[in-house]
Amino acid sequence: SQKIEQNSEALNIQEGKTATLTCNYTNYSPAYLQWYRQDPGRGPVFLLLIRENEKEKRKERLKVTFDTTLKQSLFHITASQPADSATYLCALQDSSYKLIFGSGTRLLVRP
Amino acid sequence: DTAVSQTPKYLVTQMGNDKSIKCEQNLGHDTMYWYKQDSKKFLKIMFSYNNKELIINETVPNRFSPKSPDKAHLNLHINSLELGDSAVYFCASSQAGVPGYTFGSGTRLTVV
Repeated sequence: SQKIEQNSEALNIQEGKTATLTCNYTNYSPAYLQWYRQDPGRGPVFLLLIRENEKEKRKERLKVTFDTTLKQSLFHITASQPADSATYLCALQDSSYKLIFGSGTRLLVRP
Repeated sequence: DTAVSQTPKYLVTQMGNDKSIKCEQNLGHDTMYWYKQDSKKFLKIMFSYNNKELIINETVPNRFSPKSPDKAHLNLHINSLELGDSAVYFCASSQAGVPGYTFGSGTRLTVV
């Protein structure tokens, strides 16, 4: 069955460093991969989408890579700030409307 | 404000009751969804409607019945509530050609 794995342990980093979060998937051929941010008590907020034929996408301090051979995406936040502390969710979508989410990785940026 | 809004935000009810959650989006999106987020934070899709037509119906007990009176509204009715239905339910919407889904702030359902 389709499986999306994100590191369940929280990532704890110092302010100013680059945070790197990993998303691995199996038994799936996604056309799109999306990253969302979720704060406690709130709904997920869309950050970035990358297509299967794209290797890398950037938006301000965010960078996403997508390796369909390794079946992996990396999500980077450069010059991290305490305000970046949240749970980050990876989500995969095939050609249908169905978006399947990983369980998320909690990021804590220490001042 | 343009958004996906769902009501109520909190719902505490007894086992066996029937309850509804409402969702409205004013973004002009064609597709709406219901997701369930359990205690382990997994977001699982339940249903999706495109222009009032059901297009995704995951393996969900038939006690759950979605209804879309128009493309801006998607409601979720739950019959005979069980303890295991306790979760946060999120409504979302999307538009073909526009990246990303827009989520509501969630409805925390607690069945006691």
